[in-house]
Amino acid sequence: GQQLNQSPQSMFIQEGEDVSMNCTSSSIFNTWLWYKQDPGEGPVLLIALYKAGELTSNGRLTAQFGITRKDSFLNISASIPSDVGIYFCAGLILNAGGTSYGKLTFGQGTILTVHP
Amino acid sequence: NAGVTQTPKFRILKIGQSMTLQCAQDMNHNYMYWYRQDPGMGLKLIYYSVGAGITDKGEVPNGYNVSRSTTEDFPLRLELAAPSQTSVYFCASRHRDRDNSPLHFGNGTRLTVT
Repeated sequence: GQQLNQSPQSMFIQEGEDVSMNCTSSSIFNTWLWYKQDPGEGPVLLIALYKAGELTSNGRLTAQFGITRKDSFLNISASIPSDVGIYFCAGLILNAGGTSYGKLTFGQGTILTVHP
Repeated sequence: NAGVTQTPKFRILKIGQSMTLQCAQDMNHNYMYWYRQDPGMGLKLIYYSVGAGITDKGEVPNGYNVSRSTTEDFPLRLELAAPSQTSVYFCASRHRDRDNSPLHFGNGTRLTVT
């Protein structure tokens, strides 16, 4: 099946620093999504990207859908302690009929630690 | 709305035992999914369902079974638990008609098989 390579695997940063993480794939995706998972909870959607080249922001978060449709990045500006968690990229591929049944392929996750 | 509710939160099984992980959603979503999450591996799709009475295999279905008798419920069955099934299991659902609608996840079931 499709694979997403997410990097870095983990990051340790100081409060106030900016963060950047990315996902790459050998497959073309139609939709890129970024999720955050807090301890003991399920992933929660942060940003969804639907078109190649699209740049979308959600507060301090900015994500882009790569122009080749094989990659995406997520930036977090001015990190705060509550940004701690695991961040996942996920991709969606439409089949020949134009649907995907919502079956997502997930990256391995980036563990973010923010030191106050 | 409670969203997606998973029970139990934690469970320890002995090798060879069986159990059912429960998942219910109250958002009238047609699509439901079971994922497993292993450390450093992201989430892998086990089974999914596009509506009551319809289920299909995902990426890692071996050792699991599902059923979808109602729109609300999507239980996952482990018949002969094995240590390789130690994982955190997440149920998720989404709206059918909007292909880009987000997945709503439950809070997970942490399963240990010893």
